[in-house]
Amino acid sequence: ETGVTQTPRHLVMGMTNKKSLKCEQHLGHNAMYWYKQSAKKPLELMFVYSLEERVENNSVPSRFSPECPNSSHLFLHLHTLQPEDSALYLCASSQEKDLNTGELFFGEGSRLTVL
Amino acid sequence: AQSVTQLGSHVSVSEGALVLLRCNYSSSVPPYLFWYVQYPNQGLQLLLKYTTGATLVKGINGFEAEFKKSETSFHLTKPSAHMSDAAEYFCAVSYFGNEKLTFGTGTRLTIIP
Repeated sequence: ETGVTQTPRHLVMGMTNKKSLKCEQHLGHNAMYWYKQSAKKPLELMFVYSLEERVENNSVPSRFSPECPNSSHLFLHLHTLQPEDSALYLCASSQEKDLNTGELFFGEGSRLTVL
Repeated sequence: AQSVTQLGSHVSVSEGALVLLRCNYSSSVPPYLFWYVQYPNQGLQLLLKYTTGATLVKGINGFEAEFKKSETSFHLTKPSAHMSDAAEYFCAVSYFGNEKLTFGTGTRLTIIP
């Protein structure tokens, strides 16, 4: 495996379900990100972890809960979502020193549909 | 506060023609500027970036962009379009000391055979 890998690629869930998105990076980076990509909207930064500490929580509802157990793995736990949460969720990684230089490496995304 | 405006959500060009994708930014401090590309069913990939130094920046796949402070622009160009350039392109802005990239809404580029 190389780069940034996200699983599952597609997820359909009901509003009462609990599910998780997983991201793994094989680049030796120490910063990881979750972005939300909705149609006709700019990418929205959700969370940033640097050296396994959360450094950014961009006013995301508590029904989204991130977890970063180590520098290679990032999870997004989903609970009691709303239909408007349907989107493509993108994980990215970078070196901590590149936090503000924008050189991010993205995964292919997890397409979430909430019924 | 910082923001990015991409003019034209859809751009179509003929194969072999010039590609021009427009990006204007707003930033109260010297900006860092980026172009990312997203091919179908894939994540975003960095095309090129400007932080400091030379204002004409060359990226991958023959793309380049020029930082024009007076026009607050960072337009993306390629002299000759190829079918493989069909994708969505995102302009983004940040600045030193800020870990948050602000993205534009994207421009979908279609190449006409």
